[in-house]
Amino acid sequence: EADIYQTPRYLVIGTGKKITLECSQTMGHDKMYWYQQDPGMELHLIHYSYGVNSTEKGDLSSESTVSRIRTEHFPLTLESARPSHTSQYLCASSEPGPPAGNTIYFGEGSWLTVV
Amino acid sequence: GNSVTQMEGPVTLSEEAFLTINCTYTATGYPSLFWYVQYPGEGLQLLLKATKADDKGSNKGFEATYRKETTSFHLEKGSVQVSDSAVYFCALASGGSYIPTFGRGTSLIVHP
Repeated sequence: EADIYQTPRYLVIGTGKKITLECSQTMGHDKMYWYQQDPGMELHLIHYSYGVNSTEKGDLSSESTVSRIRTEHFPLTLESARPSHTSQYLCASSEPGPPAGNTIYFGEGSWLTVV
Repeated sequence: GNSVTQMEGPVTLSEEAFLTINCTYTATGYPSLFWYVQYPGEGLQLLLKATKADDKGSNKGFEATYRKETTSFHLEKGSVQVSDSAVYFCALASGGSYIPTFGRGTSLIVHP
């Protein structure tokens, strides 16, 4: 079982509110990722990190920001939520390489609804 | 760059039918290959993986073989169940600075 945790699992907030989605992993992985996904659809990479103090934007433009102050923690923040941000957000981390094989582990996801 | 192409869905089957979901890839170097499964309302779970050419990954009756010569990693199951209904994602990952690459997902619907 993967040791990667996301909170909250479900969140309904009003437009204009600031929110932070938390993600923590206890596997000591350097690489971590945030994906945005509509139900059952393709994954869109919005942020990733190679390690502490490293953050990069992904393929999909996002108004969110991330930080990586500790290896185990990779929170995602929306300063001002809008209805267009309604989606599922998936956090993931990956193993460093051979022999582990770079396996990617996912959290259970955070469902955000902005009303 | 790296890319993964998997067959579009939905794939609709009757219970006990044979399943194949095609996946092909392009990659730099020697990536590891994965199949993930996503049940409704949940995150992605690792289904199986293969880390080098000719390896076969298997789990819960599903199998996939890493074919370097055809750059493929097709998912198969001999007899599907209703509980296998989910979205399946093919993926590859390399070391170094490479970011994991996912296919678009294939929805599987199994009818009783």
